[in-house]
Amino acid sequence: QVQVVESGGGVVQPGRSLRLSCAVSGLTFSSYGMHWARQAPGKGLEWIAVIWYDASQKYFADSVKGRFTISRDNSKNMVYLQMNTLRAEDTAVYYCATQRVDSNDYWGQGTLVTVSS
Amino acid sequence: EIVLTQSPATLSLSPGERATLSCRASQSVSSYSAWYQQKPGQAPRLLIYDASNRATGIPARFSGSGSGTDFTLTISSLEPEDFAVYYCQQRSNWPWTFGQGTKVEI
Repeated sequence: QVQVVESGGGVVQPGRSLRLSCAVSGLTFSSYGMHWARQAPGKGLEWIAVIWYDASQKYFADSVKGRFTISRDNSKNMVYLQMNTLRAEDTAVYYCATQRVDSNDYWGQGTLVTVSS
Repeated sequence: EIVLTQSPATLSLSPGERATLSCRASQSVSSYSAWYQQKPGQAPRLLIYDASNRATGIPARFSGSGSGTDFTLTISSLEPEDFAVYYCQQRSNWPWTFGQGTKVEI
C-alpha cells in the first residue's frame, strides 16, 4: 500500500532554515505530483506548495512564497521542502501528500516544526 | 487567492441525525472542490473530490454536492466515528486553499 513518511522537523530559531523530507513508497512516484500542507497548533489546514511529477511546475501559498522551495528526487522517491527565513508563525505540523491517485490521496502523519528562540 | 468560508463553525448533533455542512467560495471554482475529515492527532482523510465523488472506501452516508461557489457535504445519518472536523478545499486555482473547518460534535 502507499506510504508517506515525513521527517526533518524540530526546533529552530527565527530566521534560520530547515529542510523537511518526505519518503513515498507503494506507487510509481515519478508519475504523481506532490503537495505540502501545514497546520498550526489548534488551527486549520493550510496548503503551502505543490511540485509537478516531473518538477516542471511549482506553486506556493502567498504566506511562504520567496522563503520556501520544493524539490523532488524521483530516483529516491523523495520530495523536499526547504524552509528559509523561518518565522514564529511557521510553527506547525507539516504534512506531505500525494496528488489524487485514482480515487484517493495519501498523507503522511506529519512532522512538527517549532520556530522559537 | 480564493477564500473559502465554511458554515457553521460548529455543528452539535446526535448519532443518527443528518449533518449538512456548507462551503462558499469567493469566486467560482467550478466543480474543483474537495472535502476532508480530520480527527485529533490524525492526518486529514479525503472524503469527496470533484464536488461529488466519494473517495476510496468512504461510506455512502457521505455525499457532496454543488458547483460554482456553493458546496455542501451531507452525512445522512451520523455514526459515532463521524464526530470530527471537516474542511472543504478548492482545487481550481493556485494557490489551493482550505476553508477554516466545521467541527461536528455531539
